[in-house]
Amino acid sequence: EAGVTQFPSHSVIEKGQTVTLRCDPISGHDNLYWYRRVMGKEIKFLLHFVKESKQDESGMPNNRFLAERTGGTYSTLKVQPAELEDSGVYFCASSQGDSGRTGELFFGEGSRLTVL
Amino acid sequence: EDQVTQSPEALRLQEGESSSLNCSYTVSGLRGLFWYRQDPGKGPEFLFTLYSAGEEKEKERLKATLTKKESFLHITAPKPEDSATYLCAVPIDDMRFGAGTRLTVKP
Repeated sequence: EAGVTQFPSHSVIEKGQTVTLRCDPISGHDNLYWYRRVMGKEIKFLLHFVKESKQDESGMPNNRFLAERTGGTYSTLKVQPAELEDSGVYFCASSQGDSGRTGELFFGEGSRLTVL
Repeated sequence: EDQVTQSPEALRLQEGESSSLNCSYTVSGLRGLFWYRQDPGKGPEFLFTLYSAGEEKEKERLKATLTKKESFLHITAPKPEDSATYLCAVPIDDMRFGAGTRLTVKP
């Protein structure tokens, strides 16, 4: 069974440019999450989809970040325009049920974003 | 304020030298505590869920325990392949992670 896949694995862009990260969850997982880890900090929640609907986007830092999940399958996270402080590793995770209850999240390997 | 704190930040052990990692929390109405393992360049991998004080879970050389204020991840006779960062998390703000303990096991 394929795990959570993320693309690209690493992206280097200039400040002010746009980057789109993609996540393909495990097939059949309705819940999809985005997290990020900035340098030296702990992993922090960004948002949670249930199928195509945003269940919780309280962790999104500002309106330069836009997440979508078309058709309840893959998800994209767009950063526009990117700022230096957006650099970090963006993780996608999926779960079949409510991970807040079971904790059983399946993570991708992450997309490392470097903004110069 | 709800907090999750892990200690130590880093731990170096010799192969076979048992030890424990700590995750302390100040969360009212805890609804679970989770342990993950993260290898370099990878995403976290789920290990355990603990729901109530006194509960224990085991997997190979790892045993996780939970009290009302903290959780321990005991590592018995570790091997070099146990080297990784171990993260604990609680279900607040969807999921709040500790900063992790970076474990290195030398042969």
